[in-house]
Amino acid sequence: KQEVTQIPAALSVPEGENLVLNCSFTDSAIYNLQWFRQDPGKGLTSLLLIQSSQREQTSGRLNASLDKSSGRSTLYIAASQPGDSATYLCAVREGTNAGKSTFGDGTTLTVKP
Amino acid sequence: DGGITQSPKYLFRKEGQNVTLSCEQNLNHDAMYWYRQDPGQGLRLIYYSQIVNDFQKGDIAEGYSVSREKKESFPLTVTSAQKNPTAFYLCASRGHIYNEQFFGPGTRLTVL
Repeated sequence: KQEVTQIPAALSVPEGENLVLNCSFTDSAIYNLQWFRQDPGKGLTSLLLIQSSQREQTSGRLNASLDKSSGRSTLYIAASQPGDSATYLCAVREGTNAGKSTFGDGTTLTVKP
Repeated sequence: DGGITQSPKYLFRKEGQNVTLSCEQNLNHDAMYWYRQDPGQGLRLIYYSQIVNDFQKGDIAEGYSVSREKKESFPLTVTSAQKNPTAFYLCASRGHIYNEQFFGPGTRLTVL
């Protein structure tokens, strides 16, 4: 059974700092990996999607990498801003047609002005 | 605007009652999902449907039921058999081209 772990559970940084969030998974036979942002009491907003054949994806100040062989993905946030404060979750879709995804528990990021 | 809507935003249930949460999408997606989120935790899959008139149990289906009579709609019923239903419920659909998941705004269910 796929297990997804996100470390650390919480992170606090000063504004302007570059930071990395980690996501690890136990079964490398994945279809894709998706990073989400969740604000308190809200739904999930998709940030980046990496297909199993890709190594990284970029959107603005965000860069996500994928290393299937080691079961790891990282989300890099450049020049962090207070508006980046939220919980970030990764989800791994299993490599079958079942279409199921397994989510990590998330990393709660606080960016201090 | 294309997207996923969930209603109501807040729902209160008395002990022994069944309640139904609504999820509607106009993205023309075949696959739809229901997740439950408890405080400080990730999402756990309740039910999913990959096509109309077909659905499968997820990891925590006990005490829940669904239907998929229309492509656009995937309602979730929380039955009285669900012993601890207080949680945040999220509906999602999955696109065809990149298989990206999109989420609705969620329904917060509280048992009184």
